[in-house]
Amino acid sequence: EAQVTQNPRYLITVTGKKLTVTCSQNMNHEYMSWYRQDPGLGLRQIYYSMNVEVTDKGDVPEGYKVSRKEKRNFPLILESPSPNQTSLYFCASSLFLGLNTGELFFGEGSRLTVL
Amino acid sequence: QKEVEQNSGPLSVPEGAIASLNCTYSDRGSQSFFWYRQYSGKSPELIMFIYSNGDKEDGRFTAQLNKASQYVSLLIRDSQPSDSATYLCAAYYGNNRLAFGKGNQVVVIP
Repeated sequence: EAQVTQNPRYLITVTGKKLTVTCSQNMNHEYMSWYRQDPGLGLRQIYYSMNVEVTDKGDVPEGYKVSRKEKRNFPLILESPSPNQTSLYFCASSLFLGLNTGELFFGEGSRLTVL
Repeated sequence: QKEVEQNSGPLSVPEGAIASLNCTYSDRGSQSFFWYRQYSGKSPELIMFIYSNGDKEDGRFTAQLNKASQYVSLLIRDSQPSDSATYLCAAYYGNNRLAFGKGNQVVVIP
């Protein structure tokens, strides 16, 4: 089954404790991206990657890191989480984005609470 | 920052009626537009995309694009309770970037 898998789905942590949210896709997609979704703010892009070893900042990259060492994996790293990073996080992938395409396949989401 | 605006509040429609959702975008260079549906507690899923001016129909859904006025709309005909969800408008403006609006909640009343 084609899917994007995120882990963990739910996490409660404390300020400053490093954490990683993993994302893996089995569709051989070139493009992967991380979004956060907050009430009243919608989906905002954190980082994206066009291919292995190619990553770029989205609209809200501060406090986050990513890596793309393998095509299928795109982990999101919070080196020193803070309460304002409490959010619902989505990983998404696509074959590529373009004029007449751009369907993003989303993972199920990871709800992160930072105390 | 490219902006996609979905300003109207929750929309309540009776079952069988037409639900109409609007979206405006700030970047005239935006190339294509997407409507995603997100059920409560779930991830977004693509309903339709459109990149040419005019209408595009897919089943009970019609997307309309007017590039001169920089707006995109989504019509849901014969609304069903299963259409109750939040609808996200997104614009692709090149350089591998996709910007999302904040979403509009639709509630279909049986």
